[in-house]
Amino acid sequence: SQQGEEDPQALSIQEGENATMNCSYKTSINNLQWYRQNSGRGLVHLILIRSNEREKHSGRLRVTLDTSKKSSSLLITASRAADTASYFCATGQAGTALIFGKGTTLSVSS
Amino acid sequence: DAGVIQSPRHEVTEMGQEVTLRCKPISGHDYLFWYRQTMMRGLELLIYFNNNVPIDDSGMPEDRFSAKMPNASFSTLKIQPSEPRDSAVYFCASSKHPGLVENEQFFGPGTRLTVL
Repeated sequence: SQQGEEDPQALSIQEGENATMNCSYKTSINNLQWYRQNSGRGLVHLILIRSNEREKHSGRLRVTLDTSKKSSSLLITASRAADTASYFCATGQAGTALIFGKGTTLSVSS
Repeated sequence: DAGVIQSPRHEVTEMGQEVTLRCKPISGHDYLFWYRQTMMRGLELLIYFNNNVPIDDSGMPEDRFSAKMPNASFSTLKIQPSEPRDSAVYFCASSKHPGLVENEQFFGPGTRLTVL
């Protein structure tokens, strides 16, 4: 069953612009994670935010979590062509395996 | 560490044949997960193991699918007999957080399976 749902499904931007992707989920969580998947490759873990955290940064990535709205956002600042990939959110509930959304496909053109 | 290793990377077979996918998790990781990814259904969890023991196989689509983990460094996913609708990319992932199955996972490169 799908827990996290990303929005938009697809996003096209120019290099240097910021990209924002959103994730909504249905039930309470322990953490929310974002993964990146380049074409033809496996998923790569980007960042994990716990349910008691509101914001987290890692390099050009900024993740926010609003547990009252059951939503999260991933912001990639100053995007590069190399950021072109699919981005997935995954929700972690205690004692159960991660549940992944269907992803946002980001295209960054130079 | 070399990361999660999967073999083969590509497999083309004919309907009715047996297919075996292999995975070597990262050394020291307690959890191993098998996923299937298709355009239509996204990333689906098939089964996961903790310390070589299958914990949740509710995602295994039907009896044609089976998975084993005979030791901490090796797992197989077998499809017998294979059908065209099994065509997908199959990923193996591992995780190293004892008691915290919900923490971050490390994915292999995947096996692209095509059943003709």
